[in-house]
Amino acid sequence: GQSLEQPSEVTAVEGAIVQINCTYQTSGFYGLSWYQQHDGGAPTFLSYNALDGLEETGRFSSFLSRSDSYGYLLLQELQMKDSASYFCALGGATNKLIFGTGTLLAVQP
Amino acid sequence: DADVTQTPRNRITKTGKRIMLECSQTKGHDRMYWYRQDPGLGLRLIYYSFDVKDINKGEISDGYSVSRQAQAKFSLSLESAIPNQTALYFCATSEGAHEKLFFGSGTQLSVL
Repeated sequence: GQSLEQPSEVTAVEGAIVQINCTYQTSGFYGLSWYQQHDGGAPTFLSYNALDGLEETGRFSSFLSRSDSYGYLLLQELQMKDSASYFCALGGATNKLIFGTGTLLAVQP
Repeated sequence: DADVTQTPRNRITKTGKRIMLECSQTKGHDRMYWYRQDPGLGLRLIYYSFDVKDINKGEISDGYSVSRQAQAKFSLSLESAIPNQTALYFCATSEGAHEKLFFGSGTQLSVL
C-alpha cells in the first residue's frame, strides 16, 4: 500500500520562509501533489512534481526526490493568509490520489 | 457559480437513516471522486468513477454506495447511516490521469 507522513503542525512568522516535509512509502507512483485547505474550505491544488527536482509557482515551490522517498513544499514571504492546512498526495496510474494527514501551518505576525 | 457543487452543505441525521449526498459539475470532466475527511486523518478516497459506466471502490468504501447518473453527476449514498460516518465529505473532479483535482465545497454530515 501507500502511506505519507507529514508534520502535524508548523509555526512561522510573517515574511519568513517555511518548509513542509512529506515522506512516503509506495511501490510506485506518477507524481507528488500539494493541496492547500483553509479551515472548513475546499482543498485547492498548489503544485505537482512528476520528476525529481524543484517546481516553482510564485511564492510556492515544491521538491521531489524519488531516491529519498521525500518531498517538500516551500513557502516564501509568508503572509497571514497562508495559514491553512497543507496536504501532500501521491498519484498513481489511475489518479486516485492518496493524501497525507496534513500539516497545519500557523503564520504569526 | 461553482464548477463543482455539492448539496446539501450540512446535514444532520439519525442512525439507521438513508442519506444521499449529491455532486454536480460544469467542468466537463469525466473523472469524479468522493473523499471523506476526518480530523487528523486527512482525505480518504471512498469511490471514484472515470465515466458513466465505470465505478471503483476506494480505500474506505464499506457502508457507502455511489451512482453516476450522468457525466456531470455523481451521488454518494449511506444506506444505513452510523455515527462513525460523521465527517466532512468532498466531491472532486479531474480532467484526466495525473491531473489536478477540483474539489466542491464539501458536505458536513453528522449522524446522531
